[in-house]
Amino acid sequence: ETGVTQTPRHLVMGMTNKKSLKCEQHLGHNAMYWYKQSAKKPLELMFVYNFKEQTENNSVPSRFSPECPNSSHLFLHLHTLQPEDSALYLCASSQDKLADYTDTQYFGPGTRLTVL
Amino acid sequence: AQKITQTQPGMFVQEKEAVTLDCTYDTSDPSYGLFWYKQPSSGEMIFLIYQGSYDQQNATEGRYSLNFQKARKSANLVISASQLGDSAMYFCAMREATMNSGYSTLTFGKGTMLLVSP
Repeated sequence: ETGVTQTPRHLVMGMTNKKSLKCEQHLGHNAMYWYKQSAKKPLELMFVYNFKEQTENNSVPSRFSPECPNSSHLFLHLHTLQPEDSALYLCASSQDKLADYTDTQYFGPGTRLTVL
Repeated sequence: AQKITQTQPGMFVQEKEAVTLDCTYDTSDPSYGLFWYKQPSSGEMIFLIYQGSYDQQNATEGRYSLNFQKARKSANLVISASQLGDSAMYFCAMREATMNSGYSTLTFGKGTMLLVSP
């Protein structure tokens, strides 16, 4: 595997379910990100991890719970979601230069989530 | 105010022709980076090209070039010799050096849908 991978690619869940999204990067990066992309809205940053430490939580509801066990893996645990949470969830990674404006983020293919 | 503005919701171009996708940005920070990404219908956000605020020359990457006009605060993407596979959503993004929370965020525009016809 190369680049950034995400599983599953598609997920349908009920509002009472608990599920997890997985992201893995094979680029040797130290920073990882979760983004949400809803229809007709710009990409929204949700969480940032640098060297496994969470450095950003962009006022995300607690029904989304991130986990970063190491620099290569990132999870997003989902529970009691709402229909408005249906969106494309994108994972990205970059070098650890969080304060460097040249730091390029590389994205995975995304998980398309539908909440019924 | 929007930091990244992409005024073209959709663009059409014929195969083999060149196309320019517009992007203007707003920042008071002298140090920033500008990025273009391509998002096909499959969903993956593919990095295309980067331009730094201090770069003297326009960035080029294969068929992609960035027309950087700093005084106008524009960073238009030029795709030469369009191909059918170029049909996708294109996003302009900016990253500023200034940190409010210890982290420099990447801000995206709303995107431009490009359709390439045979």
